[in-house]
Amino acid sequence: DSGVTQTPKHLITATGQRVTLRCSPRSGDLSVYWYQQSLDQGLQFLIQYYNGEERAKGNILERFSAQQFPDLHSELNLSSLELGDSALYFCASSRNQETQYFGPGTRLLVL
Amino acid sequence: KNEVEQSPQNLTAQEGEFITINCSYSVGISALHWLQQHPGGGIVSLFMLSSGKKKHGRLIATINIQEKHSSLHITASHPRDSAVYICAVRSIGGAQKLVFGQGTRLTINP
Repeated sequence: DSGVTQTPKHLITATGQRVTLRCSPRSGDLSVYWYQQSLDQGLQFLIQYYNGEERAKGNILERFSAQQFPDLHSELNLSSLELGDSALYFCASSRNQETQYFGPGTRLLVL
Repeated sequence: KNEVEQSPQNLTAQEGEFITINCSYSVGISALHWLQQHPGGGIVSLFMLSSGKKKHGRLIATINIQEKHSSLHITASHPRDSAVYICAVRSIGGAQKLVFGQGTRLTINP
């Protein structure tokens, strides 16, 4: 158990819909990262937050947004969903520039 | 060409064999990570290294910064080591952004 929690574990929705994925980092970790893992693209970095502020941005679509709240949990919002958004979404947390600890992931299926 | 290349893509071995997975990268990096992803999907961070060598149990990771190359070794391999092993690099000036290799699927047969 990494200490990082993600909800929900599974999510099935339809094209055009909007979903919110939630991540709670390990106690004391200020950084949260979001990753997408699809069958054809592998793991890709989406975005990083540090203590509530956006720190780095990767291949995140404009339809996707994220935020980190004062209690350090983070949410990834995916809107106008397309079939190609079906993937595993991982969040990870770390202290400063140390090892990243991954959550169990949310498996999203867009039908 | 991807910034991070792993070889082999697939590896099948017998229990007890010594395993080597390679990772080559093309950018200057501040750190390299080795991750393990189990069949259920969960990801575990094995090592983070920026120079030299690290060892944890039967796992050894080495990095050669000049050659832009890292290896992950598993000694006395066991069926429970069967997983996908992923190399990821953090480029210099790239904040915390990780760029991932495509992964190496390892199967250890009893």
